[in-house]
Amino acid sequence: KAGVTQTPRYLIKTRGQQVTLSCSPISGHRSVSWYQQTPGQGLQFLFEYFSETQRNKGNFPGRFSGRQFSNSRSEMNVSTLELGDSALYLCASSLGRDELGEKLFFGSGTQLSVL
Amino acid sequence: AQTVTQSQPEMSVQEAETVTLSCTYDTSESDYYLFWYKQPPSRQMILVIRQEAYKQQNATENRFSVNFQKAAKSFSLKISDSQLGDAAMYFCAYRSYNYGQNFVFGPGTRLSVLP
Repeated sequence: KAGVTQTPRYLIKTRGQQVTLSCSPISGHRSVSWYQQTPGQGLQFLFEYFSETQRNKGNFPGRFSGRQFSNSRSEMNVSTLELGDSALYLCASSLGRDELGEKLFFGSGTQLSVL
Repeated sequence: AQTVTQSQPEMSVQEAETVTLSCTYDTSESDYYLFWYKQPPSRQMILVIRQEAYKQQNATENRFSVNFQKAAKSFSLKISDSQLGDAAMYFCAYRSYNYGQNFVFGPGTRLSVLP
């Protein structure tokens, strides 16, 4: 069974640009969540999607948005990039059953550098 | 808001020895989940072990076990018979039973395993 796939693995952008990151969950998983990882702030939750609906949202500005498609694949978009958006963006998928302790499966992340 | 603290930024252990990673958390809730995740150099986060707060029995997974002290809000991870492949960043994480909240991660502990 293929794992969680994130593309691209590395990305370099300049301030003011926008970027779209992609996440393909494990087959059969309906929930996808996104996390930002930086050396200073650590791992922070961005948002979670389940069956194409945003189910949960972290404390990030509106420049960060996401969506989920009918095949459970998800994208996140960051508009008007700032230097502080440089980070590793991790995607995780799960079955999405009504069980908060269920196991998350993570991808290898997209390393975004904003110059 | 919940917080998770890992007071040891770095730890090292000799191969085949035992090491304990510390984690404390702050919450006013009585029901929640606690997790330990491992992030090797591949960047892909992997679930090591999970504990439900209402369960008094400490979780174990092969060489990994926890010491869960609910009153003290402490959740340490013990790795027995350490192996070179255990070298990674280890994150302690909290998840509320409240569906409006998501994972809160600690800052991580970098574990080195010495041959």
